[in-house]
Amino acid sequence: QQQVKQSPQSLIVQKGGIPIINCAYENTAFDYFPWYQQFPGKGPALLIAIRPDVSEKKEGRFTISFNKSAKQFSLHIMDSQPGDSATYFCAASIRTGNQFYFGTGTSLTVIP
Amino acid sequence: DAGVTQSPTHLIKTRGQQVTLRCSPKSGHDTVSWYQQALGQGPQFIFQYYEEEERQRGNFPDRFSGHQFPNYSSELNVNALLLGDSALYLCASSPLIGSKGETQYFGPGTRLLVL
Repeated sequence: QQQVKQSPQSLIVQKGGIPIINCAYENTAFDYFPWYQQFPGKGPALLIAIRPDVSEKKEGRFTISFNKSAKQFSLHIMDSQPGDSATYFCAASIRTGNQFYFGTGTSLTVIP
Repeated sequence: DAGVTQSPTHLIKTRGQQVTLRCSPKSGHDTVSWYQQALGQGPQFIFQYYEEEERQRGNFPDRFSGHQFPNYSSELNVNALLLGDSALYLCASSPLIGSKGETQYFGPGTRLLVL
């Protein structure tokens, strides 16, 4: 059973566009929601993370929106660049040090 | 400050063989988690080590075992390899369990191919 559901599977946007990736979860015990970026052949790198006590968090061009009642959260990438082309994973955990449950990933392509 | 390091980077084995993968955590981190990432999928949690003991385990068979050393480095062992074990194996480290404001940092992974 997939604990965290992620969509879309793939996404193509023009440079400067704002791709949005969505995730949903069921376990209300989750209290930490990170997003990771992964390039081919590399390990996932932390982009940004949020806790359920806030509804939005921004770091640079990356924004997480969090809807606790709907059990959904999303990643927005402002002014997307070709260098943002990568696979993005959402994840959830019960406390930061515990196991992460990952989504299935979204392959993002930003066209110049 | 070195991040999480893993060795080897690539490995080719045949079915039935055994493999050992190694991980050194980020400086200041004492907890190590291992994940398996099949091609095109998200990482799946295998287990986590803290204070040289297995603290949590995901849905993986006993063929997967591990160890943590006093210097916090860790090994992942897989016995009786199957074709389906072919994947990228990721090590992640984090500081003391439950610390606020910290997360798990991933290494570059070991790509295992089972023939």
